[in-house]
Amino acid sequence: NAGVTQTPKFRILKIGQSMTLQCTQDMNHNYMYWYRQDPGMGLKLIYYSVGAGITDKGEVPNGYNVSRSTTEDFPLRLELAAPSQTSVYFCASSYPGGFSGANVLTFGAGSRLTVL
Amino acid sequence: KNEVEQSPQNLTAQEGEFITINCSYSVGISALHWLQQHPGGGIVSLFMLSSGKKKHGRLIATINIQEKHSSLHITASHPRDSAVYICAVQGAQKLVFGQGTRLTINP
Repeated sequence: NAGVTQTPKFRILKIGQSMTLQCTQDMNHNYMYWYRQDPGMGLKLIYYSVGAGITDKGEVPNGYNVSRSTTEDFPLRLELAAPSQTSVYFCASSYPGGFSGANVLTFGAGSRLTVL
Repeated sequence: KNEVEQSPQNLTAQEGEFITINCSYSVGISALHWLQQHPGGGIVSLFMLSSGKKKHGRLIATINIQEKHSSLHITASHPRDSAVYICAVQGAQKLVFGQGTRLTINP
């Protein structure tokens, strides 16, 4: 299993540019999340989804958009990039109803974004 | 007050010491996760708990649902255990994270 795949791993943007961070999981998890982690700080929830067609805002949604057209994919769109969006972004997926222990909460490897 | 509080925020110990990291939460949960993040690295799930205790190698995680408290223990700590340990609780729809505990094990 590939688990959670995020792309790109690194990206440098200019102020005002837009981009999409891709996230795909192959575990049939219904819950998916996008977090950002600023240097030395904890994880902050940007958006989450409890299933295809359903998305909701987290703590820090401003400047971002998401969609969940399929169970597998949960892209994060940055419109009009700003220096404050410089961060490491993590996508995660989970299956809260499963207690077998395997692959219940899985993170992608992270995407390091710099806005100059 | 944060919904999930971890203590201590930073912990430095000598190799071989017994380590305890605590997590208290104030919301109803269906499960609690302990995660590990190495410097500059990804995030790995160590345990998911809904009750009782789990053990994996030198790591032990416990949870007391009534007291809304969980602990992560590391026995015979080693420098490679140096990382940030994060507690996350699964609420009705989303995960809520603690701020993390930065653990440094010196040789």
